[in-house]
Order: sequence, then C-alpha cells, then structure tokens
Amino acid sequence: AQSVSQHNHHVILSEAASLELGCNYSYGGTVNLFWYVQYPGQHLQLLLKYFSGDPLVKGIKGFEAEFIKSKFSFNLRKPSVQWSDTAEYFCAVRGYQKVTFGTGTKLQVIP
Amino acid sequence: EPEVTQTPSHQVTQMGQEVILRCVPISNHLYFYWYRQILGQKVEFLVSFYNNEISEKSEIFDDQFSVERPDGSNFTLKIRSTKLEDSAMYFCASSLAGGNSYEQYFGPGTRLTVT
Repeated sequence: AQSVSQHNHHVILSEAASLELGCNYSYGGTVNLFWYVQYPGQHLQLLLKYFSGDPLVKGIKGFEAEFIKSKFSFNLRKPSVQWSDTAEYFCAVRGYQKVTFGTGTKLQVIP
Repeated sequence: EPEVTQTPSHQVTQMGQEVILRCVPISNHLYFYWYRQILGQKVEFLVSFYNNEISEKSEIFDDQFSVERPDGSNFTLKIRSTKLEDSAMYFCASSLAGGNSYEQYFGPGTRLTVT
C-alpha cells in the first residue's frame, strides 16, 4: 500500500526565510511524486512532480524538490519565501491509479 | 490550457437528500477520479473510473456513492442519501491514461455542505 507522511503540520516563517518541508513516502513500485499547493479558497494546483531522471526537480514559483530514493523522501524547498506563498502544501505519491496525499503542511509567511 | 471543471462550486443539502456533483474532465482524457477533503483533513481518494467501469475504489466509497459518465463529456458523483459526515470538498480529476506516468489534473472542487 502506498502512503505519504508529512512531518510539519504548521510552519510559520518570515519573508525571505528559507523553506524546507519534509515528505516521506512508501510505495512498492515505480514512484511518481508530487507537491500540490492549495491557496486559501482555491483549488489544488500542481507545484512540481517527479517521474524519473534528475532527482532535483524544479517547479513553479521558485520551488524545488529533491527525490532521495535511499531515504524515501521528497522534500520541498524554496530559498526565499514570500507572503504570497502562504498556503497549504500537500505531498502526494501516485500509484497505478490513485494519488495518495499527505496530511498537508500549512505555511504562514509573515511580512 | 484545458482544465477540469466542476459544478456547482458550492452545494448545500439536507441530510438524507440525494446530490449529484458534476465534472467535465479534459476532453481527450480517459481516466477519471473523485477525491474528497473533509475540512482540516487530507485529500482522500474515492474512486477511479475507466471505460465506463469503476477500476478502483476506496473503503469510503460505499453503496451510498455511485459514479457515472452519462454522456461524452460529463462525469458525475452521486450520493444517494447524504449524511452530515459527507460534508467536504469533492475534487474531480482526469488523466490521459492510467498508470503512474500520467499526471492527474484536478478540478477546482465542489464544496458540499450537509445540514
């Protein structure tokens, strides 16, 4: 069975601080990993995805994530957050059909 | 860019009533999905649908739920007799094909409130 674990439930940062959100997964097959963002009152949007190849993937809005197979991790990073990054972030793993989401991390960026 | 659309954006219903949530997947996609997110909780998979059949469903997707593709463009989720605990945001998604090489595109969601 596939599962995703996000370690931080609520993160508060000042603008310009660096961000790293942890994500660990388990899945027995070829793994596809995603980070989604949900801004207040809006729907899920894909930030970035890893299917294969370079384990360091770059997404929209300056986000990146690194797939470390040996650690079953796919942590999300951003060197300098902005107030507009305030949102909830979901790590997800795709099995053959369904996507399994983590519990989400609420990020609050203080101006 | 093509996108998944969902209607209505917000549905309020009384307990015991039937509701139908509607989705229009991306036109050339063949696999369709429903997920839900209870307020404050994570997004949970409900069901996947391909070739007019359910291909996978979760334990949440019991006999109260059904899905249908009534025509060439819509994909619906029906809840026969709603319960208070069905209150959630329901997301539709579609993908070009099955298998984990194909990204699922999510719609904006329908907020269902059962009173």
